[in-house]
Amino acid sequence: DTEVTQTPKHLVMGMTNKKSLKCEQHMGHRAMYWYKQKAKKPPELMFVYSYEKLSINESVPSRFSPECPNSSLLNLHLHALQPEDSALYLCASSRTKMRDETQYFGPGTRLLVL
Amino acid sequence: AQTVTQSQPEMSVQEAETVTLSCTYDTSESDYYLFWYKQPPSRQMILVIRQEAYKQQNATENRFSVNFQKAAKSFSLKISDSQLGDAAMYFCAYMGSSNTGKLIFGQGTTLQVKP
Repeated sequence: DTEVTQTPKHLVMGMTNKKSLKCEQHMGHRAMYWYKQKAKKPPELMFVYSYEKLSINESVPSRFSPECPNSSLLNLHLHALQPEDSALYLCASSRTKMRDETQYFGPGTRLLVL
Repeated sequence: AQTVTQSQPEMSVQEAETVTLSCTYDTSESDYYLFWYKQPPSRQMILVIRQEAYKQQNATENRFSVNFQKAAKSFSLKISDSQLGDAAMYFCAYMGSSNTGKLIFGQGTTLQVKP
């Protein structure tokens, strides 16, 4: 099973709302990632978790708050977002975060901020 | 800093024909991996093929093969016998040893397959 699942598929939120994105994998992977992708652009790395610890934060604004409750689950908590935060949010996982590991991507959550 | 460049924003190919997507990269590292990912219109990104920099032999996966020229820092993807299902955005990506966990993507090439 090489599946990464993400919920919800679509999300519409106002600028004052608080919402969360969820990502799950059952491949035993110990590295998990959040990416942001705008239309027709490559994914931009936001966060990397390695063995449930935050390893990389690509200077993401504090209105995005990641959480890794266990090795299978990754959340992204959203608060006070801006319209420019509207994008496809992709989760990925890999066995470890070493350079030879393939990252497996989920289908993404399409977020619209009004 | 490492960079990845895909100079062809869009390409098209006739079904059953062969197409080559270009990718160049810049790095001072000697130990790294290169990847081609495919993102169909349904959005889920999947790995097409990968290459270790220390391996001379070009990677091949069924109809997909790469031409890896380490000295020229070039990593092109050849798709043979193109199929309608190959239509997608293709991203070239780099991961080096100095910044593990961080995939560096090119800007992508949108491939159209004509019946």
